[in-house]
Amino acid sequence: NAGVTQTPKFQVLKTGQSMTLQCAQDMNHEYMSWYRQDPGMGLRLIHYSVGAGITDQGEVPNGYNVSRSTTEDFPLRLLSAAPSQTSVYFCASSLQGRDSPNLPLHFGNGTRLTVT
Amino acid sequence: AQRVTQPEKLLSVFKGAPVELKCNYSYSGSPELFWYVQYSRQRLQLLLRHISRESIKGFTADLNKGETSFHLKKPFAQEEDSAMYYCALQTGRGGGNKLTFGTGTQLKVEL
Repeated sequence: NAGVTQTPKFQVLKTGQSMTLQCAQDMNHEYMSWYRQDPGMGLRLIHYSVGAGITDQGEVPNGYNVSRSTTEDFPLRLLSAAPSQTSVYFCASSLQGRDSPNLPLHFGNGTRLTVT
Repeated sequence: AQRVTQPEKLLSVFKGAPVELKCNYSYSGSPELFWYVQYSRQRLQLLLRHISRESIKGFTADLNKGETSFHLKKPFAQEEDSAMYYCALQTGRGGGNKLTFGTGTQLKVEL
């Protein structure tokens, strides 16, 4: 299994440009999520999904859109990039158990995004 | 609202010395707590979870509900323990496996 795969690894955008960060997992995980990692702020949840066709907002959703058309894929879209979105983005997935907490998150390698 | 506090950005210890990475949480419900670790050039990965009461790579963490803490401890630090450590609180029972992370502590083990 490849686990959680993120592409691209690095990206530079100009303010106002749009792009999609890709995330795919091959573990048949129902739950998928996107975090951003910023110095001194740890990881903050952007959006998450508990299954195909279902998405919800996390702590910092503004400026980002997501969709979940398949179990495997969970792309993150930046419609109009801003310098404040310069960050490292992590996709993470896990099994989803309503009565089974403590299911570990499996992380991708991250995408380092710079917006100039 | 839930909150996870890791007061130390950087913790530097000598090899063989004891290690304690502090984590305090604020949550009105029953907490589910984790420690995640990110080694240099590797992806973030689960180190341990409180419900398992396990010891991983010599690390242990005990949930203290009275002090709302979940400190990570190891009696003798090794060079390979140098990494970024994140404490995380799960709050998404029934609504996803949402984790709230602390700001992280960089552990540096010196020879």
